[in-house]
Amino acid sequence: NAGVTQTPKFQVLKTGQSMTLQCAQDMNHEYMSWYRQDPGMGLRLIHYSVGAGITDQGEVPNGYNVSRSTTEDFPLRLLSAAPSQTSVYFCASSSRGGYNEQFFGPGTRLTVL
Amino acid sequence: SQQGEEDPQALSIQEGENATMNCSYKTSINNLQWYRQNSGRGLVHLILIRSNEREKHSGRLRVTLDTSKKSSSLLITASRAADTASYFCATREEGGFQKLVFGTGTRLLVSP
Repeated sequence: NAGVTQTPKFQVLKTGQSMTLQCAQDMNHEYMSWYRQDPGMGLRLIHYSVGAGITDQGEVPNGYNVSRSTTEDFPLRLLSAAPSQTSVYFCASSSRGGYNEQFFGPGTRLTVL
Repeated sequence: SQQGEEDPQALSIQEGENATMNCSYKTSINNLQWYRQNSGRGLVHLILIRSNEREKHSGRLRVTLDTSKKSSSLLITASRAADTASYFCATREEGGFQKLVFGTGTRLLVSP
């Protein structure tokens, strides 16, 4: 199994550009989440999904959109990139239930100029 | 934000020594988890302790949980250079989606 995969690994955008960060998992997990990691702030939840067709906002959702059309994929869209969105983005998945660990992807390092 | 706080922010020790890091959180929880992150990589799950447990062991890891003080500690015994990483606690609230809320992390450096 590949686990959780993310593409691209690195991305540089100009202010105002849009792009989609891809995330896929092959473990048939119901739950998927997107986090951003900034220095000194740990991980903050952007959006999450409890199953195909169901998404909800996390702690820092502004400027981001998500959709979940399949169990496997959970893309994150930046609508109009801003320098404040410069960060490392992690996708994670877990099976249903509160006692299950989350599996993380390798991350996407995004720089917005 | 319900983000937890970890203490210390950074810890530097020699190989063979024990490393202890602490986590405090704010809300009632279902469970608390510890994750490790090597530089530039994704997080890896280490251990989970449920709210009705007080102590748990896994190999060289020992986790304690004090729900009355809303705090947890992670002890790594006989540290190795390969333990050099950042360590994060994450709490799962009772009920709802039970999303994970991460602390700010402790950077551990183990010198040979």
